[in-house]
Amino acid sequence: QLVVTQSPSASASLGASVKLTCTLSSGHSAYAVAWHQQQPEKGPRFLMKVDIDGTYNKGDGIPDRFSGSISGTERYLTISSLQSEDEADYYCQSWGTGIVVFGGGTKLTVL
Amino acid sequence: QAQLVESGGGVVQPGRSLRLSCAASGFTFSTYGMHWVRQAPGKGLEWVAVISDDGSSNYYADSVKGRFTISRDNSKNTLYLQMRSLRAEDTAVYYCAKDFWSGYSPDVLDIWGQGTMVTVSS
Repeated sequence: QLVVTQSPSASASLGASVKLTCTLSSGHSAYAVAWHQQQPEKGPRFLMKVDIDGTYNKGDGIPDRFSGSISGTERYLTISSLQSEDEADYYCQSWGTGIVVFGGGTKLTVL
Repeated sequence: QAQLVESGGGVVQPGRSLRLSCAASGFTFSTYGMHWVRQAPGKGLEWVAVISDDGSSNYYADSVKGRFTISRDNSKNTLYLQMRSLRAEDTAVYYCAKDFWSGYSPDVLDIWGQGTMVTVSS
């Protein structure tokens, strides 16, 4: 069964970098993920797809400050040069035959 | 510019029905799979259902299977979610989202709407 796990919260200072982690359940190391951002009181926004070879493809207009990577069953979203507007919830999404699974989300606080 | 606009939300009593709509524009609607995703107040995202580009294939989350029906009208560029036997736990903002591919096998959700609120309460 595909399960996606995220830490509930993270924080980093303005101008710093932060790496958010998404862990796929055992046996799912060959699964890609997508990252979505949800700013307060807004709908989600697609950020990028991170493939199993570690390459990532970003959505339209997503700044270069956002990047993705992988290691085993872990998938990462790195945000550099943090800005105040990056304070948001970040969701990891994976999928299989006939199913889509979201992680519980990570609330990022920019200090 | 691709855009999705949901409508049809509101307050409904437990056990009643409600139909949501999602109007698509700015892309060739008939060539992409479409999803519904919901978010209960203060909670995370929960996938609800997906339908293929031609409407011939669909999948549902266990929590809504047998009660909700996803459908589409490609001539109207519109996605629907028929919700029956509604429960308090169905209270959420409902988002429609575009799949990156045809939807026969779900993939990345790459365009999202702004959501419509459904409240199930007596």
